[in-house]
Amino acid sequence: DAGVIQSPRHEVTEMGQEVTLRCKPISGHDYLFWYRQTMMRGLELLIYFNNNVPIDDSGMPEDRFSAKMPNASFSTLKIQPSEPRDSAVYFCASSFRLAGNKGGEQFFGPGTRLTVL
Amino acid sequence: LAKTTQPISMDSYEGQEVNITCSHNNIATNDYITWYQQFPSQGPRFIIQGYKTKVTNEVASLFIPADRKSSTLSLPRVSLSDTAVYYCLVQGGSNYQLIWGAGTKLIIKP
Repeated sequence: DAGVIQSPRHEVTEMGQEVTLRCKPISGHDYLFWYRQTMMRGLELLIYFNNNVPIDDSGMPEDRFSAKMPNASFSTLKIQPSEPRDSAVYFCASSFRLAGNKGGEQFFGPGTRLTVL
Repeated sequence: LAKTTQPISMDSYEGQEVNITCSHNNIATNDYITWYQQFPSQGPRFIIQGYKTKVTNEVASLFIPADRKSSTLSLPRVSLSDTAVYYCLVQGGSNYQLIWGAGTKLIIKP
C-alpha cells in the first residue's frame, strides 16, 4: 500500500479564497483523522470519521471549516473563506481501529502545508 | 476528561537510555496510551502502545504503573537519529476522545 496520500502537498492562497485539502486513507482502514499543526498550538485533532461517519468534530475551529468523507477511500477538508491564521500543516491519518493492542496505530500522511496570504 | 502533560524538551547523549514521562491523571478505564515520534517536515509515526504494566518492541519500551495515571516511554541507547518530537496520546475510552500531549522535543548530542 502507498500509505496515506494527501494533496496538494503545498497550497498558497489569498485570504477569502476557498481551500480544499484531500486525503486518501490506507485501504481497509475504518478510521480517518484530520489534524492541524502549528508552532504555536502544536498538533490539534480537528475531526475524525469511523466508516465515513463523523464521530468527533469538537476540534473544528469554526464554521469556516468543514470535512466530508463521501466514501471509504476519500475525504476532504474545506476552509471557506480562508484566513491568514489558518496557515498551518494539515495532516490526514488513518487507522484500522480506534484503540487496542493491534490495529489502533494511526498512519499519517505527509501533510499539506497551507499558507494564506 | 483526560489531559496529557509531558515535558517540553529533554537533552541526552548518544548511547544513553532516555525516559520520557507523560502524565494523564484522568485516564478512563478503557483508554490506551500510545506514543508517536515526529521528525521535521513529516507526520507523526507510531512507536508503541500499551494499556498496563510493560510493553516492549524492537525500538522502545512503555512502562505503565498500576494506577495508569502516568506512562514512561523508554528509548534504549539513543543515537543522533532519535532527535525528534515525541507525543503521548490517550485514546479510546467510553467517549471515543483522543487526547494528545503537547510533545517533548528530544535532542540527542554526540
